[in-house]
Amino acid sequence: DIQMTQSPSSLSASIGDRVTITCRASQSISSYLNWYQLKPGKAPKLLIYVASNLQSGVPSRFSGSGSGTDFTLTISSLQPEDFATYYCQQTFSGLSFGGGTKVEI
Amino acid sequence: QLQLQESGPGLVKPSETLSLTCTVSNGSISSSSYYWGWIRQPPGRGLEWIGSVNYGGSTYYNPSLKSRVTISVDTSRNQFSLKVNSVAAADTAVYYCAREAVAVADWFDYWGQGTLVTVSS
Repeated sequence: DIQMTQSPSSLSASIGDRVTITCRASQSISSYLNWYQLKPGKAPKLLIYVASNLQSGVPSRFSGSGSGTDFTLTISSLQPEDFATYYCQQTFSGLSFGGGTKVEI
Repeated sequence: QLQLQESGPGLVKPSETLSLTCTVSNGSISSSSYYWGWIRQPPGRGLEWIGSVNYGGSTYYNPSLKSRVTISVDTSRNQFSLKVNSVAAADTAVYYCAREAVAVADWFDYWGQGTLVTVSS
């Protein structure tokens, strides 16, 4: 099984901050990596697919990078609506998610 | 815009079967470009993929749950369903249904809002 490790598990940030979240795979997954945003009581939202492709309708302040085992999600300028929990997901072998990163004020 | 909505009992007794249905609206479930999946999130924990089905009934499951899970599709009702047998407290979670785009890679691009299922006597 491929294990996905996110760091940090939580972070505190302010409006306008640049935020970077890291996801590391236990083995190479090429670019088979997606990022999601979860908010309580709302449908989860796909942000990035195949490591660096911005999903339609997602603000351009979100970006993804990486390949192999190391990936990052970057929010260039944090907005109030971005306070949420973020998950990475690998689809190289089966489907599995990272443990999540909670972004708090 | 495609919409997915989970439905089913919010409380299930230990050792019984959990049954949920996902209704797809504003779009057809009968497309070869997509699978339809179930994902869950236990309280205070992360996401866990359960399994997925396509419109023809082909399925694939998380190996850790495969022995207890059945996912099926009803194209006439534009629905797909989840059954988990022999549930225990560890199956308490918010259950989400989602559309899985399958191409060279795959991803879940539309999700339902989720439904909380509690396993308790």
